[in-house]
Amino acid sequence: DAKTTQPPSMDCAEGRAANLPCNHSTISGNEYVYWYRQIHSQGPQYIIHGLKNNETNEMASLIITEDRKSSTLILPHATLRDTAVYYCIVRVPTSGTYKYIFGTGTRLKVLA
Amino acid sequence: DGGITQSPKYLFRKEGQNVTLSCEQNLNHDAMYWYRQDPGQGLRLIYYSQIVNDFQKGDIAEGYSVSREKKESFPLTVTSAQKNPTAFYLCASSTDRGNQPQHFGDGTRLSIL
Repeated sequence: DAKTTQPPSMDCAEGRAANLPCNHSTISGNEYVYWYRQIHSQGPQYIIHGLKNNETNEMASLIITEDRKSSTLILPHATLRDTAVYYCIVRVPTSGTYKYIFGTGTRLKVLA
Repeated sequence: DGGITQSPKYLFRKEGQNVTLSCEQNLNHDAMYWYRQDPGQGLRLIYYSQIVNDFQKGDIAEGYSVSREKKESFPLTVTSAQKNPTAFYLCASSTDRGNQPQHFGDGTRLSIL
C-alpha cells in the first residue's frame, strides 16, 4: 500500500499557484518525500524531493510541515502544460535498496 | 543527452507469444527498475536490479523475466505465463546511492492481438 494520501483531483486557473497536498503520516525520520508528474502516455517526470527543509527548484517548491506528516507541492504560476497526474512518494526499503510505491496521485487540471 | 530509452513505443503480441521490451540508459546508473501501469492506476514494481548480473523480484514478478548482462541495459520479457499482459510498461534507473531520485523512460505500451 502507498504510504501517501493525495486528493484524486484538483483544478487551478492558468497563471495562479497550484498547491497540491500530500499526507504521509507514517514517514520515518530519515525518509525523503519525492514528487513526480505524469502527462498522459509518458513516463513520470521527476519534480523535486525533500527531507524536512523547504525546497525550491526551477519547476516547483516543496513545503514540508515541521512534524513531516504532510507536504505541499507548489507550482507558482500554473500553465496549461502543467495539466498532469502528480504523485507524492515515500520510498519503502526492500532487500538493500528502496522501492517507490505509487498511489493514484492527484489529477491536476489547469483551466484557461 | 543522457537519458533512458525504451523501445518500441507500441508493441503488439499474439496470445501465447513471449515478447521482450528494451530499456537502455546512458546515465551510468547502477540500479534499474521495471514497472507496470494499468489505466487510472499508479505504477507497480515488476523487477529491479542493483548491479550487473543480479536482479530481484518486485511485487508482481509472475509471468515476467529480466536479465542484466550490461550496466546500460535491462530488458524485460513478458512471457506467455502472464495472463493479462496488456499494460503500459515503464523502465527507470537511479544511482541507488543516497536519496537521488529514479528517472523514467517514456514507456512501452503492450497490447494483445
